[in-house]
Amino acid sequence: DTAVSQTPKYLVTQMGNDKSIKCEQNLGHDTMYWYKQDSKKFLKIMFSYNNKELIINETVPNRFSPKSPDKAHLNLHINSLELGDSAVYFCASNLGAGIYNEQFFGPGTRLTVL
Amino acid sequence: AQTVTQSQPEMSVQEAETVTLSCTYDTSESDYYLFWYKQPPSRQMILVIRQEAYKQQNATENRFSVNFQKAAKSFSLKISDSQLGDAAMYFCAYRSARGAQKLVFGQGTRLTINP
Repeated sequence: DTAVSQTPKYLVTQMGNDKSIKCEQNLGHDTMYWYKQDSKKFLKIMFSYNNKELIINETVPNRFSPKSPDKAHLNLHINSLELGDSAVYFCASNLGAGIYNEQFFGPGTRLTVL
Repeated sequence: AQTVTQSQPEMSVQEAETVTLSCTYDTSESDYYLFWYKQPPSRQMILVIRQEAYKQQNATENRFSVNFQKAAKSFSLKISDSQLGDAAMYFCAYRSARGAQKLVFGQGTRLTINP
């Protein structure tokens, strides 16, 4: 029983295309996140939603648009893909504040833009 | 803004030995949390250990322990009795205790275990 799942796990596409990555959590958490891990393994927050409301929007090109249809889902749509978008994208979730409300990560989606 | 720095891109250790991974951070906040995450080749992010800034006692989880020096803004991870399965990327991370719950990560340290 997967806690945080992402689809697809691998995505290979051409420059200029539009693609989506989906994330679902079955933990009953109220906050979800998207992180990007670049080719040097550096992890950085992109977005966060709490109860379907956007609460973190870091400096990310507006070609990236997150959508949260409900508390359990957070999708990431990317328009006009560029070579620099190639990375691993991680979804994560947690339940509110507090040190023991750790973030659970999905398995990641490796996006390759050709 | 908070920053986290891991100055050791790579470390290696003999199996069964002890290794320490370094992490420093910068923040103006007084209340925050610190974490070490492990990322094996499978890519999965796994929480190793956590520390609350207001607790002076260093956290311990089995073979993993931290040396938390709040004044120095230092948070190192010690792995005792290293095992082959400990080979992974290790990330130090900061999270504010208030407001947005985002994790701020260091650059990572790749740990190799030599048999």
